[in-house]
Amino acid sequence: AQTVTQSQPEMSVQEAETVTLSCTYDTSESDYYLFWYKQPPSRQMILVIRQEAYKQQNATENRFSVNFQKAAKSFSLKISDSQLGDAAMYFCAYRRNSGGSNYKLTFGKGTLLTVNP
Amino acid sequence: DSGVTQTPKHLITATGQRVTLRCSPRSGDLSVYWYQQSLDQGLQFLIQYYNGEERAKGNILERFSAQQFPDLHSELNLSSLELGDSALYFCASSRTGNDRELFFGEGSRLTVL
Repeated sequence: AQTVTQSQPEMSVQEAETVTLSCTYDTSESDYYLFWYKQPPSRQMILVIRQEAYKQQNATENRFSVNFQKAAKSFSLKISDSQLGDAAMYFCAYRRNSGGSNYKLTFGKGTLLTVNP
Repeated sequence: DSGVTQTPKHLITATGQRVTLRCSPRSGDLSVYWYQQSLDQGLQFLIQYYNGEERAKGNILERFSAQQFPDLHSELNLSSLELGDSALYFCASSRTGNDRELFFGEGSRLTVL
């Protein structure tokens, strides 16, 4: 079974600084997706960034980028120029992409990010 | 706004009772997923439907059941409620069930007293 581990229950960062959230996962699959979701106090789950396992290039979305290390099964999220609106719970998630009909998302426990003004 | 609608947003009930949570997927989406978010278990996959049929089942209790109707909306039925069932229940939808992205609703907060 796939597992996703986020070892940092809480992180804090100063506004305008950079912060990196860690995520490791375990799978025997070779074809999969990895995601970072953001859950602000409004509790809506918002997709931040997505990485396809077959792509070697790290995904980037504006101030958000990932460091995807497939061999190490590591998938960290870097937030640059942190803003107050980035404060939220961040979830790392895994989804297989082949070999069956169950394409559920498996989530980590989350990292609560605080942004200090 | 993700386009996924969940009702009710909040629900308070007593142990032993039964509740129904409703989800309307985005227009055109055929697949619906249900997730439970609790403090101790985190986000857990419960069940997935695709075009009216059950496609995958996760950690769903026997006291819980779900279905997807011909108009593609879905309902999650929770019965014989226990204190531990208090959680945020999310519905998500996607076009085919094998899409790269799921679109989440705002969740239904269930409190069992």
